[in-house]
Amino acid sequence: QKEVEQNSGPLSVPEGAIASLNCTYSDRGSQSFFWYRQYSGKSPELIMFIYSNGDKEDGRFTAQLNKASQYVSLLIRDSQPSDSATYLCAVHTGGGNKLTFGTGTQLKVEL
Amino acid sequence: ETGVTQTPRHLVMGMTNKKSLKCEQHLGHNAMYWYKQSAKKPLELMFVYNFKEQTENNSVPSRFSPECPNSSHLFLHLHTLQPEDSALYLCASSQDRTLFGEEQYFGPGTRLTVT
Repeated sequence: QKEVEQNSGPLSVPEGAIASLNCTYSDRGSQSFFWYRQYSGKSPELIMFIYSNGDKEDGRFTAQLNKASQYVSLLIRDSQPSDSATYLCAVHTGGGNKLTFGTGTQLKVEL
Repeated sequence: ETGVTQTPRHLVMGMTNKKSLKCEQHLGHNAMYWYKQSAKKPLELMFVYNFKEQTENNSVPSRFSPECPNSSHLFLHLHTLQPEDSALYLCASSQDRTLFGEEQYFGPGTRLTVT
């Protein structure tokens, strides 16, 4: 079983719609969860992090965490073509500062 | 310079060459990381340094040799690489203030091609 799983996509949504990206993880003791956006040919850019169960909102982005079900999701409201990228889920596992990344979900926002 | 910088941005080297990748962070962080990113694979952690001390070596082959002279600089020395080592090599840094994981900030990466 992969430690951090994401659907590779592509996930296609029309402009203005809500994009929902999901991530599941295997380590029940994980405490910290991160979403990164990576444009083609670029490095990952931090969007949000979440530590507590529930929702965390930042502008058009909402991260949702459910530790009992071991999943974390990212909602993007009013999706724009500029949101087209690969979204990486990262989970803190074990001790120290080690983050385990999923393979990413490719999002395409279509006009 | 701001954030995390990496040089060179692109590197082509033969299997018998020796080269080095450089990373510098201007964020006042205390932890630095090397990752490898290959197509269709998740980001793969290679090395972690906390306060200049190596705290993680993720079973990386010895042809990759890291060096961290201070908390702001990180090097990856390369020698006798294989074609399968061709990938994007990313450096990242974080504050290292918590035991529960914290956000890491990435540099632009070095695109390495081994011929």
